[in-house]
Amino acid sequence: AQKVTQTQTSISVVEKTTVTMDCVYETRDSSYFLFWYKQTASGEIVFLIRQDSYKKENATVGHYSLNFQKPKSSIGLIITATQIEDSAVYFCAMREARYKLTFGTGTSLLVDP
Amino acid sequence: AQTIHQWPVAEIKAVGSPLSLGCTIKGKSSPNLYWYWQATGGTLQQLFYSITVGQVESVVQLNLSASRPKDDQFILSTEKLLLSHSGFYLCAWSRDRNTEVFFGKGTRLTVV
Repeated sequence: AQKVTQTQTSISVVEKTTVTMDCVYETRDSSYFLFWYKQTASGEIVFLIRQDSYKKENATVGHYSLNFQKPKSSIGLIITATQIEDSAVYFCAMREARYKLTFGTGTSLLVDP
Repeated sequence: AQTIHQWPVAEIKAVGSPLSLGCTIKGKSSPNLYWYWQATGGTLQQLFYSITVGQVESVVQLNLSASRPKDDQFILSTEKLLLSHSGFYLCAWSRDRNTEVFFGKGTRLTVV
C-alpha cells in the first residue's frame, strides 16, 4: 500500500527567507504522481505544484519549487521569499495508477514578520 | 473556468440522524469526483471516487454512502450518524486519474 510521510509537524520562519518541507513516500508502482497542497486557516485546500515520477527536472511554479530525489523516494517543497500569507498547513500527496490520492499528515508553516 | 460548490457550509446534527451533503461541478464535463474526510487537525482521507454517472467506488468504510445522480453532482449520505462522523468533508474533482485534484470549500460537520 502507498504511504506518504511528513516528519516535520511545524516550522517557523522569518518573512522573506526560504523554507524547505520534507516528504517521503512508499510505492511499488513505477509510475506515480506527487503533489503539494496548502490548507489555509479557513480550511480551503489549494493545489500548489506537481511532479510526475518519470520527469527528471524539478517542477517550479512561482515561488514554489520541488526537490525530487527519486532514489530516496523524497519530494521536498521549497518556498522562496516567504510571505506572511504563506502561513498554512502544507500537505504532500501521492497518486498511483489508480483513482486514489494519499496524503501525508501535514506540516504547519508559520511565517513571522 | 471550472467551479465546485459544496453544500451546506456547516451542519450540527444529532447522533442517529440522517445526513446528506452535496457538491456540484460546473465547467467540466465527465469529471472524476471524490469525497474526502478530515478529522480536526488530521490528514485528508479519501472516502469515495466516481468516474462516471451512476458508478461510485468506496475507498474506506465509514458507514457512509455516496451517489452520483448527474454528471456534475456528487452526494454523500448516511441514514444514521455516529459521533465519529464529525469532521470536515471535502468534495473534489480531477480531469482524469493522474492529474491534480481540486477541492471545494468543504462542509464542517459536528455530530452531537
